[in-house]
Amino acid sequence: SAVISQKPSRDICQRGTSLTIQCQVDSQVTMMFWYRQQPGQSLTLIATANQGSEATYESGFVIDKFPISRPNLTFSTLTVSNMSPEDSSIYLCSVYGTSDYEQYFGPGTRLTVT
Amino acid sequence: QKEVEQDPGPLSVPEGAIVSLNCTYSNSAFQYFMWYRQYSRKGPELLMYTYSSGNKEDGRFTAQVDKSSKYISLFIRDSQPSDSATYLCAMSENSGYALNFGKGTSLLVTP
Repeated sequence: SAVISQKPSRDICQRGTSLTIQCQVDSQVTMMFWYRQQPGQSLTLIATANQGSEATYESGFVIDKFPISRPNLTFSTLTVSNMSPEDSSIYLCSVYGTSDYEQYFGPGTRLTVT
Repeated sequence: QKEVEQDPGPLSVPEGAIVSLNCTYSNSAFQYFMWYRQYSRKGPELLMYTYSSGNKEDGRFTAQVDKSSKYISLFIRDSQPSDSATYLCAMSENSGYALNFGKGTSLLVTP
């Protein structure tokens, strides 16, 4: 398995500001995934972050809005930029463990934008 | 049409009941299927994964995949109040890839 921590666990932010979410894994992993979970909706993939390369963004998500850093094999950050109330959501990072069949999730960051 | 459909419920059952949770999907290329449990204000917790069609059992949980019908199920036997949570199905075309999720089914097991 993999143990994942995220900071902050929750935050309330004002419109127009930015928030950086940190994700720390207890083991080295190649790929890290960032998802968004909006109320009543599925988890939606934002981007995939590989160490040493640019993140790959899904349709509907752009780097200017959700810049991602991946400085090493155990850490990543996701920034939510120029926030609006529509960005209120739970943001989750995830990784695969030693098996490529088991994807593990962090506890999530609950963001509220006012 | 969303790739993965899941009835959001809520589903309420008495303690000890057998629970059946289901998802349908449209992408025939999906081969890896997972079930997650998510308690309120927590991240999703992996319960089970299966590859291709067939059954897999783990304690009180049984996962079934019918690729011909594009239909997966999770059965919970002898349900307990501690099973009360949202259950998410997820799937992918290849191992190690990002997952496609259903919306989740909210389950309440009453004592």
